[in-house]
Amino acid sequence: QVQLQESGPGLVKPSETLSLTCSVSGGSISTYYWSWIRQPPGKGLEWIGYIYYSGSTKYNPSLKSRVTISLDTSKNQFSLKLSSVTAADTAVYYCARTPSATYRYFDYWGRGTLVTVSS
Amino acid sequence: QSVLTQPPSASATPGQRVTISCSGSSSNIENNYVYWYQQLPGTAPKLLIYNNDQRPSGVPDRFSGSKSGTSASLAISGLRSEDEADYHCAAWDDSLSGLWVFGGGTKLTVL
Repeated sequence: QVQLQESGPGLVKPSETLSLTCSVSGGSISTYYWSWIRQPPGKGLEWIGYIYYSGSTKYNPSLKSRVTISLDTSKNQFSLKLSSVTAADTAVYYCARTPSATYRYFDYWGRGTLVTVSS
Repeated sequence: QSVLTQPPSASATPGQRVTISCSGSSSNIENNYVYWYQQLPGTAPKLLIYNNDQRPSGVPDRFSGSKSGTSASLAISGLRSEDEADYHCAAWDDSLSGLWVFGGGTKLTVL
């Protein structure tokens, strides 16, 4: 059974960089798309971006200038960096898997981690 | 402001049938598949419907999806108390070089 687990600081100061890692167990990180999705408190879901196992990336245009997603296949992990954060970036951050470009859904999700932006 | 539009809330009594709508546009729902996710309180979303109307293994057939033009719907029949959750619709959007878009979520209350 594939499992995803987010990790990283729960508190980030305004203007700093948010950094999170998603560890994948129970399966290889190869051959799939790996996304970051966030959910501000009491609000809906927002897709941040994905990385393909080949290393290619696609980001939400609204966040593109501040986002970097990277992959470490040796550790079966992928990571998110979001720069110049503000209070509007406070959210639960999820990592999730998409099987393929044909089956474009998120079939496995991490439990999520709350990141608060505050001084 | 979400790209896909859902009613913020819905309610029904046990045993009833409830439908949740999701409205989009030609760049997302009309020309791409729709997905539905169920989010129980305090948990991560779970895939409920994929490719408009397909259920993953383990999802009861009380849950069904449909799509017509730029809108989609999720129907839940024989409502049970454990169905009380947030329901999110999603689709790939072909604008701006492509991105996933979601609805704002619908909070379903089982009275």
